[in-house]
Formats: sequence, structure tokens, C-alpha cells
Amino acid sequence: DAGVIQSPRHEVTEMGQEVTLRCKPISGHDYLFWYRQTMMRGLELLIYFNNNVPIDDSGMPEDRFSAKMPNASFSTLKIQPSEPRDSAVYFCASSPGTSEIDIQYFGAGTRLSVL
Amino acid sequence: GQNIDQPTEMTATEGAIVQINCTYQTSGFNGLFWYQQHAGEAPTFLSYNVLDGLEEKGRFSSFLSRSKGYSYLLLKELQMKDSASYLCAVRSAYQAGTALIFGKGTTLSVSS
Repeated sequence: DAGVIQSPRHEVTEMGQEVTLRCKPISGHDYLFWYRQTMMRGLELLIYFNNNVPIDDSGMPEDRFSAKMPNASFSTLKIQPSEPRDSAVYFCASSPGTSEIDIQYFGAGTRLSVL
Repeated sequence: GQNIDQPTEMTATEGAIVQINCTYQTSGFNGLFWYQQHAGEAPTFLSYNVLDGLEEKGRFSSFLSRSKGYSYLLLKELQMKDSASYLCAVRSAYQAGTALIFGKGTTLSVSS
């Protein structure tokens, strides 16, 4: 399997613009997670899905952030409008959800810079 | 609240042994994970503990004490490629697929 695939790898945008990050989970995985990583706050959960249904979005910072999972092989995280404080690395991860250990596998991340 | 603490930075030399500690306070507990993250890359899974004791996997071992809310990752025979950030994470709820709570990571620098 190719692993979790994220695009783009790098995104530079100006404040106020819409940003869309994309993720393709590992085939057969039932759970998909969006995390954000910064130096100050570390790796934080934003939202996660089970079988395409959002389960917990309490980590989404504010209404400017939204996430969708229209099918089992694709998810998006959208920021509209973007602000400089959104600059971070955004990771997508997936897990099978079929065993006790249920390892989460991470994509390579999208490094977002909002100017 | 939920809190996971680990040292920010550690240094060691090639061939040495290093222990990275992690303490946690979470509303529930269903497993502790260690991930390795090289600079600019994704976190990758290293180890998992759900019962007290030591889990050994090659040069890496991880220990858990649930009563103390404490874990450590032990790296033996250090190599330069072990220079990375090591993330401690707790799954707080008793069901598969629950999101992990991560510590801020310990950056390990290995020198020759």
C-alpha cells in the first residue's frame, strides 16, 4: 500500500484566502484523523471520522475550519478565510479500527504558511 | 484536564543508552504509544504499552506503570540516525479508533 497520501506538501497563501488540504487514507482503514503540529502546541487533534462520519470535532479551532469525508478514500480540511496563526504542519492519519492496538499511520503532512 | 509531559531536549553520543521519560494525566487510559518523527517527516509508530511492564523491540524498549502515570522509551546502542523527535501519546478512551493525545515531543540529538 502507498500509505496515507496528503496534498499539497507545501502551501503558501495570503491572509484571507481559502486553503484546501487533501488526504487519501490507507485502503480499508475505517478511521481518519486530522492533526495540526506547531512548535508551541505540539501535535493536536482537530477532527476525526469513523466510516466517513465525523465523530469528534472539538479540536477544530473555530468556524473558519471545516472538514469533510465524502467517501472512504478522500477527505478535505478547509480553512476559509486563512490567517497567519494557521501556519503549521497539518497531518492526516488513518487506522484500521479492527484491533486493540489500532496503530495510526500518518501522511507526510502539508506545511502551510499564511502570509 | 489532559496533560502529557516529556523533556523538551536530550543529547547523547553514539553507542550510548538513553531513556526518555513521559508522565501523563488523562481522564482515561487505554494504551500508550511512542512515535518517532525525523525533522520534516511524518511521525512513525515505535511501540505500544497497555499493561504494566517492559516491551522490547530490538534496540528500543518501552516501559509502562499505569499506577504512576509513567512511561519511558529506552534506546540502546544509539546511532546517528536515531536523532529525531520522540512523541509520547495516550489513548484515553476504551475503543479502537479513538484519537491520541500527544506530548510535545523530546528532541534527541546523537553525536559522534
